[in-house]
Amino acid sequence: AQKITQTQPGMFVQEKEAVTLDCTYDTSDPSYGLFWYKQPSSGEMIFLIYQGSYDQQNATEGRYSLNFQKARKSANLVISASQLGDSAMYFCAMPGYVGTASKLTFGTGTRLQVTL
Amino acid sequence: NAGVTQTPKFQVLKTGQSMTLQCAQDMNHEYMSWYRQDPGMGLRLIHYSVGAGITDQGEVPNGYNVSRSTTEDFPLRLLSAAPSQTSVYFCASSYERGGETQYFGPGTRLLVL
Repeated sequence: AQKITQTQPGMFVQEKEAVTLDCTYDTSDPSYGLFWYKQPSSGEMIFLIYQGSYDQQNATEGRYSLNFQKARKSANLVISASQLGDSAMYFCAMPGYVGTASKLTFGTGTRLQVTL
Repeated sequence: NAGVTQTPKFQVLKTGQSMTLQCAQDMNHEYMSWYRQDPGMGLRLIHYSVGAGITDQGEVPNGYNVSRSTTEDFPLRLLSAAPSQTSVYFCASSYERGGETQYFGPGTRLLVL
C-alpha cells in the first residue's frame, strides 16, 4: 500500500518569497510518480507538476519545482516568488492501483497563506 | 476545450432522496473516475471506468451507481441519500489508466440532511 505524508498543516509566506511544501511517501513499487495539486478556496483541483521516479532531473513548471530525493523518499514542492494567488491547499499525490482501478493516493494537504 | 465539467456545483438533499451528479469531459479521455473528499480523509475512489460500457468499483462504492454510455459522460447516482454521503465529489479523467495525469472537475458539494 502507498502512503503520502504531509506534515505541515499550514504555512505562511510573504509575497515574492520562496516556500517549500514537504511531502514524504512510502511505496513498494519500483517505478512510481508523484503529483502535486493545488486546491484554491473555490474547490477545484488543479494539476501543478509531476515527476516520475526514473526522471533524471527535478521537474519544473514555471514557478513550481519539485525537489525529489528518492533516498529520503521525499518530493517537496518549491514555489518561487510567491503570489497572493498562490494561497490555497496543496496536495501531494501518488498514482497507484486499487484492484484494477487506477487511483491517486493523496496526502492530507498543506494550507499555504501568502501575505503582503 | 472545457476540460472536465461537473453539475451541479452545490446540492442539498433530504435523507432518502436520489439524485445524479453529472460529469463530462471533452478531451477524449478513456479513463474516468469519481472521488469523494472528506476532511482528514483525503480523496477516496468511488467508481471508475476504463471506457464506454465498462465500469467498476473503487474503494467506497456502496450507495452509488455509475454508468458510461459514452466516452464523454460519466454520471454518478446516489440511490438513497444518507447524511454520511455529505461530501465534496470530484470527477476526474485521464487519457488512460495508470500514471497519467488525472484532470479534475470543479467538484460538487453535497449536503444530505
